[in-house]
Amino acid sequence: GAVVSQHPSWVICKSGTSVKIECRSLDFQATTMFWYRQFPKQSLMLMATSNEGSKATYEQGVEKDKFLINHASLTLSTLTVTSAHPEDSSFYICSARRPGVDNSPLHFGNGTRLTVT
Amino acid sequence: GNSVTQMEGPVTLSEEAFLTINCTYTATGYPSLFWYVQYPGEGLQLLLKATKADDKGSNKGFEATYRKETTSFHLEKGSVQVSDSAVYFCALYNYGQNFVFGPGTRLSVLP
Repeated sequence: GAVVSQHPSWVICKSGTSVKIECRSLDFQATTMFWYRQFPKQSLMLMATSNEGSKATYEQGVEKDKFLINHASLTLSTLTVTSAHPEDSSFYICSARRPGVDNSPLHFGNGTRLTVT
Repeated sequence: GNSVTQMEGPVTLSEEAFLTINCTYTATGYPSLFWYVQYPGEGLQLLLKATKADDKGSNKGFEATYRKETTSFHLEKGSVQVSDSAVYFCALYNYGQNFVFGPGTRLSVLP
């Protein structure tokens, strides 16, 4: 079964509003979670690494004030797209690795399709 | 740095055909290698993995062998089904670093 749950699976919002996406690890505690963005027919682009109890680490070119990440507990990370615009429309996917296991793979949520109108 | 290269898609096959999707990598040290599958509208699912040279990962009829001499991890399946239509991503992981994904290869299997 799924080990990472992401919610919502899709959301439509108006330009200028904010949208929050949740990512939960279901059967392990994740001190680190990863947020990806995927454009149509393209690979994954790592946006940021979410760190429990501390600031997220953003990849170059990702606006930290637009994509707010909060990792308040060992099983929950949230991504908030602030003041969303149509160009923020995309597929956002979170992931986590089971800690303490060598060569543990990334486990992915089912993604969130964001459409900004 | 680390990188992953996959064959360009899309790949279109008839049902029961043999599948090969090539993957080669560049990395320092001894990375672990993975194949992920993404069905339409969904996140990525782990298909198989190999953690050291000559390891063979297998799952659901898919196989891939970690070839260090050729830095490759080609995905194969002897007889594809329509339900295998998806995008396949090759990926590598080096300890302490981020996962690196290939560009993905779209597979379409026709009945």
